[in-house]
Amino acid sequence: QKEVEQDPGPLSVPEGAIVSLNCTYSNSAFQYFMWYRQYSRKGPELLMYTYSSGNKEDGRFTAQVDKSSKYISLFIRDSQPSDSATYLCAMSADAGGTSYGKLTFGQGTILTVHP
Amino acid sequence: SQTIHQWPATLVQPVGSPLSLECTVEGTSNPNLYWYRQAAGRGLQLLFYSVGIGQISSEVPQNLSASRPQDRQFILSSKKLLLSDSGFYLCAWSGTGGLNTEAFFGQGTRLTVV
Repeated sequence: QKEVEQDPGPLSVPEGAIVSLNCTYSNSAFQYFMWYRQYSRKGPELLMYTYSSGNKEDGRFTAQVDKSSKYISLFIRDSQPSDSATYLCAMSADAGGTSYGKLTFGQGTILTVHP
Repeated sequence: SQTIHQWPATLVQPVGSPLSLECTVEGTSNPNLYWYRQAAGRGLQLLFYSVGIGQISSEVPQNLSASRPQDRQFILSSKKLLLSDSGFYLCAWSGTGGLNTEAFFGQGTRLTVV
């Protein structure tokens, strides 16, 4: 069993739709949870990060963490064609200075938002 | 502002040839540095990380090695490439010492071993 499982999709939605992306994990030591966006042939960029359970909102993006279920989600409201990319969940169990860099990634979900 | 440079962007190498990928960070000091690999259609896998000059930690056994000869320079090497070394290699940095920041990734090197 992989430590982090993510549905690879692909996911295709119309512009304006609400998108839900999800990951499950097996390592209960994970305490930092992140979502990265990666455009084709580019490096990933951080969208959201949360520590422990709860919700975090940033504009059209909402990240949710449920540690009891070992489940995290990213919601995108009013999706735009520019949101078309691969979305990667990432997690860290490291409590030290490398907590944001020693990451275990899901395999990524390919999202296409069509006009 | 901090920037991360990674080169080359694309590389095609024959099996058995050596490899050297370089990554440099500007605008910060004593960063934590990381090498990741992304196979086609897969997530990123951490290969190496470094918390200081000459300090290298390996996360997975493989045909690759890493070195950090200077504070903001991170090099990924191989003496003899294998077909299975093909992939998208990404360098990243994060802050340290109370400035614990998110990881910033370079634009990657796409390596094809033929």
